[in-house]
Amino acid sequence: DQQVKQNSPSLSVQEGRISILNCDYTNSMFDYFLWYKKYPAEGPTFLISISSIKDKNEDGRFTVFLNKSAKHLSLHIVPSQPGDSAVYFCAASVNNNDMRFGAGTRLTVKP
Amino acid sequence: DVKVTQSSRYLVKRTGEKVFLECVQDMDHENMFWYRQDPGLGLRLIYFSYDVKMKEKGDIPEGYSVSREKKERFSLILESASTNQTSMYLCASSLTRGLETQYFGPGTRLLVL
Repeated sequence: DQQVKQNSPSLSVQEGRISILNCDYTNSMFDYFLWYKKYPAEGPTFLISISSIKDKNEDGRFTVFLNKSAKHLSLHIVPSQPGDSAVYFCAASVNNNDMRFGAGTRLTVKP
Repeated sequence: DVKVTQSSRYLVKRTGEKVFLECVQDMDHENMFWYRQDPGLGLRLIYFSYDVKMKEKGDIPEGYSVSREKKERFSLILESASTNQTSMYLCASSLTRGLETQYFGPGTRLLVL
C-alpha cells in the first residue's frame, strides 16, 4: 500500500533551467512532508520540509509547494545545477511519526 | 559533524545464514532506525529504537530482529536469510523524534543467494 507516490522514476533537465519533482499522497492525515536527496553510495540527506498548515516553503534554490486538496506536493529547483543530480525522495508523516517514503525520482542535470 | 557508519558496504550471504548488519553513530543520538530500500518502493521502516534495550516494530519487521545494547550501536539481524531479503539496508539516527533530523548511513547492499 503505497501511500506516497512518485510517479516519475527519472527526470532530465538542462543546467540553469527549472527542475520540478512531483509527489502524490493518499493519506489525508499526513501533516508533515519532507524531501530527501540521495547521492550514489551515500545515505539520504534532508533537504526541505513543509507543514500542512503552509502551502509553500522556500530555501534558497529549493521551494516546496503543497496542494492539500489535490494531495500533491512538488519540489522546484531553480536554477538547476549539475551537482543537483541525485535521487530525490518525498516523505510524509502523521504527527511527526510513522514516516512513509516515495519510491524516488532520479534527477539528472545536464551541463 | 554527525557520522553514521555501517559495518559493510556490500555483503553476499547464502540462504539460511544468520546475518548481522551493524550500525554505529557517534553523536549520542537517542533514536536509531533501520530501513530497506527497494526499487519502486522507496524506504520502508523495519525496526526502530528510542532508547537502549528498547525496540519497536516498523512496517516490515517480519524476518528481522534488532539489538540495542549500547546507545551508539543498533544491529539488524536476519535470523535465516532468504532471497527476498536481498536489498539495500539503511541505518539512521536522530537526536529528536523530528523526522528531518534523521541522519543516514551510506547503506549496506545485501545479496542473498
